[in-house]
Amino acid sequence: SQELEQSPQSLIVQEGKNLTINCTSSKTLYGLYWYKQKYGEGLIFLMMLQKGGEEKSHEKITAKLDEKKQQSSLHITASQPSHAGIYLCGVNAGGTSYGKLTFGQGTILTVHP
Amino acid sequence: GAVVSQHPSRVICKSGTSVKIECRSLDFQATTMFWYRQFPKQSLMLMATSNEGSKATYEQGVEKDKFLINHASLTLSTLTVTSAHPEDSSFYICSASLSSGTTDTQYFGPGTRLTVL
Repeated sequence: SQELEQSPQSLIVQEGKNLTINCTSSKTLYGLYWYKQKYGEGLIFLMMLQKGGEEKSHEKITAKLDEKKQQSSLHITASQPSHAGIYLCGVNAGGTSYGKLTFGQGTILTVHP
Repeated sequence: GAVVSQHPSRVICKSGTSVKIECRSLDFQATTMFWYRQFPKQSLMLMATSNEGSKATYEQGVEKDKFLINHASLTLSTLTVTSAHPEDSSFYICSASLSSGTTDTQYFGPGTRLTVL
């Protein structure tokens, strides 16, 4: 089964700072999802990356997919307290399990004003 | 667009009772919905795949007789926790799959906090 490892596990930054969260897969990536979760709430879909080298942005959040490295990175520019939460990467399980998502363990982001 | 709701958001029940949680896709139809369970400070654990008009597919280790899933329409899936016990207390989250071209994206509900006394 495919496993995702996120780093760092937690991150504390000062408002205005840039930061990067990484998601590394144990197998080839055929598409990767990024979600954000606030404690006690559901997941908010941020973006999906399908192709190697693909890069997408949503407001101040940019995500890239590096197929060769089996890795995706999420970069937040000029972080704000509203960016705080848990960031989760997920992949389709593939094969007969297509449609199911496997998630990384999450990265807890704290942004101090 | 792509809004998923869950009801109730919180429920407290006595041990031995059954609890039903509803998951609705409000502005799209979903032939496939998923049910997850999340423990404190942990990631989501997939419990089962809910398929409209057919039986749910359960993940290994999930008791299908305890966690009953019904997906009677393209916008509603329900999860019933039967004979709930304190160890069933958890945060339950559903998602609905929306297809767009060649990609499927899961949109998540806000979750239901279940506490069994």
